[in-house]
Amino acid sequence: NAGVTQTPKFQVLKTGQSMTLQCAQDMNHNSMYWYRQDPGMGLRLIYYSASEGTTDKGEVPNGYNVSRLNKREFSLRLESAAPSQTSVYFCASSPPLGYRRGYTFGSGTRLTVV
Amino acid sequence: DQQVKQNSPSLSVQEGRISILNCDYTNSMFDYFLWYKKYPAEGPTFLISISSIKDKNEDGRFTVFLNKSAKHLSLHIVPSQPGDSAVYFCAAIFLINAGNNRKLIWGLGTSLAVNP
Repeated sequence: NAGVTQTPKFQVLKTGQSMTLQCAQDMNHNSMYWYRQDPGMGLRLIYYSASEGTTDKGEVPNGYNVSRLNKREFSLRLESAAPSQTSVYFCASSPPLGYRRGYTFGSGTRLTVV
Repeated sequence: DQQVKQNSPSLSVQEGRISILNCDYTNSMFDYFLWYKKYPAEGPTFLISISSIKDKNEDGRFTVFLNKSAKHLSLHIVPSQPGDSAVYFCAAIFLINAGNNRKLIWGLGTSLAVNP
């Protein structure tokens, strides 16, 4: 089925380790997003990419970097993981005017930093 | 300060009855409102949206009502089914610049339990 694919689904890191969360969409959407969800905090935007070749900071970008590799792929990198980055991470995509029909989300990556 | 508020963290209803989920907002610049449903271990899925120029939008068992003067919207599910048990997020969108970029603001969600 068409959609947004995130890998890995689960990951445990030690403090200071680095890792990259991968996201790919096959719907030819222009815009892609990375969110984190924490209990009592709702969904918070980390970074977004309005189109291929552009990226912008969201509400909580500190400690993260992103790469819009091509139109399909948008990766999120943690250079030096911290326990505060323990969260569930969601990637999403949307077409132009996609806000009218909502974003398509991946199934999430549950990250634990110990 | 939360611009989109879902004041009820949880709601429990009987199967077949109406579920009403509420959402309040503070920013009069929001031009679109959306509801998402989220099951455990899955990403949110889009449910229904409404433009700020309308007061009602219906899609099957789901109806969203918008009261702009009260800055309030609600999602009605009729009849409620056990499969509707999930967390429901209210979200609002506004235009942030002339480049047509929009910002999506999320509520914290309401957990709905539909009991058989």
